[in-house]
Parts: sequence; structure tokens; C-alpha cells
Amino acid sequence: SQTIHQWPATLVQPVGSPLSLECTVEGTSNPNLYWYRQAAGRGLQLLFYSVGIGQISSEVPQNLSASRPQDRQFILSSKKLLLSDSGFYLCAWSELQASNEKLLFGSGTQLSVL
Amino acid sequence: DAKTTQPNSMESNEEEPVHLPCNHSTISGTDYIHWYRQLPSQGPEYVIHGLTSNVNNRMASLAIAEDRKSSTLILHRATLRDAAVYYCILRDVGAAGNKLTFGGGTRVLVKP
Repeated sequence: SQTIHQWPATLVQPVGSPLSLECTVEGTSNPNLYWYRQAAGRGLQLLFYSVGIGQISSEVPQNLSASRPQDRQFILSSKKLLLSDSGFYLCAWSELQASNEKLLFGSGTQLSVL
Repeated sequence: DAKTTQPNSMESNEEEPVHLPCNHSTISGTDYIHWYRQLPSQGPEYVIHGLTSNVNNRMASLAIAEDRKSSTLILHRATLRDAAVYYCILRDVGAAGNKLTFGGGTRVLVKP
């Protein structure tokens, strides 16, 4: 069966520190991968999506970057965190590049930048 | 990207049906209508999707207007576990891949 793993579940980081959040998918190949962020009490904002290794599309200009070094691995990074980077980060994947294919989400990482 | 409009919140009594409306007047012919829900401190969960015809599954029903400019998610008998934020989304397949853009959603409160 297909599963998605995202870690850590919670993270507290000082302003100016680096960030690395990892997401891996099992049980499938060549998935579409996504990073979303949710500020407290708000909806989800699409940050990045990837249709293949090394292929990253960025939705909004920001202090973050994403990489896909392997087919089923998606990494969200920052060199220097800002207070505004705090939020709930969610990784998701879908199997086909088709508009009727559903997204499956990871359990999320709650990031607090202090 | 085509956008959706939903009420901010709705209340329902337990065991009663809940009808969640969604307007998507700029929908294109190839956009599927997806619904997800998010429980507190969790990632969104797929509920249902459709293109033109009404759809039913174990979680809910989706009624799509004939002109596809609106749709309604129907929870037939609300339970306390259905309290969540429900998102109506148009799934856009672009040249660079899929995008699924979430709006603010509707917060559903279920009263015992």
C-alpha cells in the first residue's frame, strides 16, 4: 500500500537558523509531490510542486526552497528562517497527472520560529 | 486558476444532514471539483470528487449544478467526528503538472 512519511511532527527553531523538512512516499513510483503551508487559522497555501526528479515549480516567492533528489523524496529547506515562516507544513502526493486524481497528505510538521 | 467561494462556517445538529455550498463560476470544462476536509492538527483528507454527474461514496454525496458553476457537498447524517474545515477545490492540470489550490474552506460545527 502507498504511504507518505513526513518528519518531524513538531519543530521549534530560532530566527536565522536553517531548516530541512523531509517527505518520502512509499509504494508508488514517479509521484507528483507537493509542499503546502498553513498559517494558524488559515487555509492551505501551495508552496512547491514537483512532477519528477529535479523538477520543482514554485508558487510564491519566499524564503524557502524545495528539492527532489530522489523519485520519492521531497525536501523543504531554508538557509535562514524568519518569524513569518512559522506554520503547519504539509507534504502531499498524487499518483497520476490527471485532474481526477486525489491528493494524499502527510501528517504535517508544526514549525515554530522564535 | 479558477477559484471557489464557500461560506466561512456552518452549524448543524448531530444526526441531521449538512449541505455545504461552493460557487465556482469560472470553472473550465476540464476542471474536476474536489472536496477535502481537515480535522484539527491533521492534514486534509480526500472526501469526494466529480466532473459533471452527481457522485456518492461512503463519506458524502456531491451534487453538481447542470452549468457546473456551483456544487454542494452533502453529509447525510452529521456526527461529531464530521466537525472539520471542508474545502472545495478545482483541480487544475497545467503544462507543469497538477495544482490543487485551497481556499479558506467552510468550518463545520456539529452540535450534539
